Amino acid sequence: GQQVMQIPQYQHVQEGEDFTTYCNSSTTLSNIQWYKQRPGGHPVFLIQLVKSGEVKKQKRLTFQFGEAKKNSSLHITATQTTDVGTYFCAGTGIQGAQKLVFGQGTRLTINP
Amino acid sequence: GAGVSQSPSNKVTEKGKDVELRCDPISGHTALYWYRQSLGQGLEFLIYFQGNSAPDKSGLPSDRFSAERTGGSVSTLTIQRTQQEDSAVYLCASSSHRDSQHFGDGTRLSIL
Repeated sequence: GQQVMQIPQYQHVQEGEDFTTYCNSSTTLSNIQWYKQRPGGHPVFLIQLVKSGEVKKQKRLTFQFGEAKKNSSLHITATQTTDVGTYFCAGTGIQGAQKLVFGQGTRLTINP
Repeated sequence: GAGVSQSPSNKVTEKGKDVELRCDPISGHTALYWYRQSLGQGLEFLIYFQGNSAPDKSGLPSDRFSAERTGGSVSTLTIQRTQQEDSAVYLCASSSHRDSQHFGDGTRLSIL
């Protein structure tokens, strides 16, 4: 079945440093979504990418969808303490039941 | 409008008892997911309902776990003969077709 792998599992940075998390799917995706879960909270939707090679930005966050629609990345420029949390990618395959499959998440901690 | 509602928010029970967790999705959302999340871990997929299709039960960890979705709306996750390893936060999410998932606040289940 479809698998979504995310690396790294953990990342600790100094405030102001950049951060990137990578997501890879075993199959071609119709779309990829990114979520953020703050400590003690539930995952909250950030963005969806649909097109091959698509790049979207939200302030200091840049999201990319690979040309083959099998990988994606989230890059945060100049991290702030408010960026702390776990970032999940999730993808829907192009065939089958169209179930959204989550990666294992990257837990970001920041040293102020 | 109203988001995804889960009840109870906390449940403490003795080992061996049965528990029922409820999820009230956003009105009109055809897809409903149950996940389990242990402390500091990722989202463990349990079950997926999509419209009138047969549910995808591939994530249920044992036959002690079952779920139903009545009338395409409210869902109940039942755990029979609870074990200590069942202790976790159980999250429900709903979405419309290929749209983002909206999560409830979860039920924190503690098995004594």
